[in-house]
Amino acid sequence: DGGITQSPKYLFRKEGQNVTLSCEQNLNHDAMYWYRQDPGQGLRLIYYSQIVNDFQKGDIAEGYSVSREKKESFPLTVTSAQKNPTAFYLCASRRGAAPNQPQHFGDGTRLSIL
Amino acid sequence: KQEVTQIPAALSVPEGENLVLNCSFTDSAIYNLQWFRQDPGKGLTSLLLIQSSQREQTSGRLNASLDKSSGRSTLYIAASQPGDSATYLCAVRKVPSPGSSNTGKLIFGQGTTLQVKP
Repeated sequence: DGGITQSPKYLFRKEGQNVTLSCEQNLNHDAMYWYRQDPGQGLRLIYYSQIVNDFQKGDIAEGYSVSREKKESFPLTVTSAQKNPTAFYLCASRRGAAPNQPQHFGDGTRLSIL
Repeated sequence: KQEVTQIPAALSVPEGENLVLNCSFTDSAIYNLQWFRQDPGKGLTSLLLIQSSQREQTSGRLNASLDKSSGRSTLYIAASQPGDSATYLCAVRKVPSPGSSNTGKLIFGQGTTLQVKP
């Protein structure tokens, strides 16, 4: 079945440590996105990529980095510069850049600080 | 700045009741509006997508309407069931600012958490 796979489901980070969240899709979608969800708040866009080898900052990119070396993969690194990384992270994709395409989501990764 | 609001934040109804969830947005310059369902600890599942030129979309017991001029959308759930218990989020895809490379940013509301009691 086609879909978006995020791993791991739960992740723990020590102070000063970088961690990488995986997002893989087999939907052949061009565009991929990373969101952060905090309790009582809507989803906020961290980074997005509309094509391989290209990505742009979203609204809250500070302390995060991404890469898009392959169409199916869009990993997110939470660096030590992100002072409040505890949140639920959601990866999404959609078929193309056309605005009429729906967005699909993975099952998320919950990141906590040890 | 586009803002999306969902009221109420939480709703509890008895099984079998028909219900309406509300979503309002401040800027009518949108491409479309999408309704999602989120179960606890899970990702978002797309329920319905309404293009800006459409008035409504239906899928099974769900019906979503869009009034772009007034900045409102409703999600109607008929004959609610305990399995409908979840958080429902709406999101609008805004028309990008001139010169922006982003082909329409998705702006989310904070969601309505629905509990359907047996």
